[in-house]
Amino acid sequence: GQQVMQIPQYQHVQEGEDFTTYCNSSTTLSNIQWYKQRPGGHPVFLIQLVKSGEVKKQKRLTFQFGEAKKNSSLHITATQTTDVGTYFCAGLKGDSSYKLIFGSGTRLLVRP
Amino acid sequence: DTEVTQTPKHLVMGMTNKKSLKCEQHMGHRAMYWYKQKAKKPPELMFVYSYEKLSINESVPSRFSPECPNSSLLNLHLHALQPEDSALYLCASSQVRGPGRIADRPGELFFGEGSRLTVL
Repeated sequence: GQQVMQIPQYQHVQEGEDFTTYCNSSTTLSNIQWYKQRPGGHPVFLIQLVKSGEVKKQKRLTFQFGEAKKNSSLHITATQTTDVGTYFCAGLKGDSSYKLIFGSGTRLLVRP
Repeated sequence: DTEVTQTPKHLVMGMTNKKSLKCEQHMGHRAMYWYKQKAKKPPELMFVYSYEKLSINESVPSRFSPECPNSSLLNLHLHALQPEDSALYLCASSQVRGPGRIADRPGELFFGEGSRLTVL
């Protein structure tokens, strides 16, 4: 079945350092969504990417969708302690489906 | 604050009990979802309702029984659960752009805070 993998599994950074998580799918995705889940919280939507090669920015966060629509990345510039949490990508397959498959997640820890 | 409300927040039940988890949204979303999340794992899709009809069942054991009484409510009935079913159960809802193969895509998912279930 479809798998969506993320690397790294964990990242521990010093506040102010940059952070990147990568998402890779075994199949082509029609779109990709990114969510953040704080410790003890629930997933919160960050962004959706639809077009091949699309790049979107939200303040210090930059999201990219690969040309082949099989991979994506999230880059955070100058991390802050408020960035702590687990970042999940979630992919929707190319056919008509509500089957949003979550990636394995990257847990970000930020040292103050 | 989330616009998807789940009750109860915590539930402890024995393996012979029958209980229900409830989810409510008033955003006019016509797709509603149940996800199961174990500690340090991603959410796993269980069921999807689209326009109040079950559209996806991810081979979930029959001891979990979903119900969508109307477009705002989603229930998950639990019976004869096992200890390994202990997890955070997340409800979510999303807009859909309308019927049709191309347009029928979910938008962003709005998650509730979850119901943390412990099965003894």
